[in-house]
Amino acid sequence: AQRVTQPEKLLSVFKGAPVELKCNYSYSGSPELFWYVQYSRQRLQLLLRHISRESIKGFTADLNKGETSFHLKKPFAQEEDSAMYYCEGGSYIPTFGRGTSLIVHP
Amino acid sequence: GAVVSQHPSWVICKSGTSVKIECRSLDFQATTMFWYRQFPKQSLMLMATSNEGSKATYEQGVEKDKFLINHASLTLSTLTVTSAHPEDSSFYICSARTDGSSGPQYFGPGTRLLVL
Repeated sequence: AQRVTQPEKLLSVFKGAPVELKCNYSYSGSPELFWYVQYSRQRLQLLLRHISRESIKGFTADLNKGETSFHLKKPFAQEEDSAMYYCEGGSYIPTFGRGTSLIVHP
Repeated sequence: GAVVSQHPSWVICKSGTSVKIECRSLDFQATTMFWYRQFPKQSLMLMATSNEGSKATYEQGVEKDKFLINHASLTLSTLTVTSAHPEDSSFYICSARTDGSSGPQYFGPGTRLLVL
């Protein structure tokens, strides 16, 4: 069965510090992976998808098939990055990690 | 583009009544929609996959007679919580893909249900 793991429930950093939110996946076939963000009192919204290889709001995520990871990174965190972040393994039936709450302190 | 709406945004009902939640894709057609529950400070729990023109596929442990899903058109899926009880109180979220079989999901804003 497919599985997506986000080991950290909470990540707390200071403004300007680098951030890495971990996501590991486990399933057969070619993975299709996404990061979503949920700001306070807002809906989930797509942040990144692995095939696009782009940077959104300063975040990047690289698929590492050898390590079966799709970690989300940002070199300099901002206070407005504080939110819940979810990693999804998107086969036909989606699978979400438990989410990581990122808190960026001023 | 790829906007999903939900209605109502919140609802309070008495125990034993039924509640219908609508999920609409506003600017695209969605052959597949998903229904989730989200508990406070927890991740999304997939309840069912809603397929246009066919029966929904429910996840293990989700009562299909309790949570009726109808996907009658390419832009509308409904979730009806039948004979609601206080334990059904939750935040219900729908999503849709522009590409039914894969690709990112676009989420509705959610519906807060409180059963008294």
